[in-house]
Amino acid sequence: DGGITQSPKYLFRKEGQNVTLSCEQNLNHDAMYWYRQDPGQGLRLIYYSQIVNDFQKGDIAEGYSVSREKKESFPLTVTSAQKNPTAFYLCASSIGSGGHNEQFFGPGTRLTVL
Amino acid sequence: RKEVEQDPGPFNVPEGATVAFNCTYSNSASQSFFWYRQDCRKEPKLLMSVYSSGNEDGRFTAQLNRASQYISLLIRDSKLSDSATYLCVVTFLSNSGNTPLVFGKGTRLSVIA
Repeated sequence: DGGITQSPKYLFRKEGQNVTLSCEQNLNHDAMYWYRQDPGQGLRLIYYSQIVNDFQKGDIAEGYSVSREKKESFPLTVTSAQKNPTAFYLCASSIGSGGHNEQFFGPGTRLTVL
Repeated sequence: RKEVEQDPGPFNVPEGATVAFNCTYSNSASQSFFWYRQDCRKEPKLLMSVYSSGNEDGRFTAQLNRASQYISLLIRDSKLSDSATYLCVVTFLSNSGNTPLVFGKGTRLSVIA
């Protein structure tokens, strides 16, 4: 089965610790994205990558970092510099980065910082 | 400025009702338009793309009005399973081409038996 996986589903961390969220896809998609969703809010773009070894900042990149060493993988690190990291994090991918391409989402990771 | 505005709802409607959602977008250079559906505590999934001429998929009809910068979603004969949050999604034209998707905050629909 093709799809996007995110792990873990729930993650708890202490304040001040960095944490890395996993995102893997076997859809052979070039583009991948990270979003954050807060209660009652829309999705906000953190980072996106149009191709391997390349990525761009989204609207709220501060306090986050990413890497794209493999086509299948786009991990997101939430650093201690992120002031309010508790949120629902969604990873997505699309065939290309053109705006007409459907984005497929993973099931998300709920991060809670204690 | 890249903004997508939606009425948050909730819209509480009885089964079988027809319900319509509107969404406005800020930039007349917007390129692509979509409706996504998000169930509670789940990931969004594409419901339908919105084309200039309007398009229909079963009980769902999407319309685009570029002059007034809004898109709409009409759901006929509502089912209990239609209960979800509906996200209006737009891409905008930037110097480097199309932007990634910009999401509205969503409109919550509850269909009641």
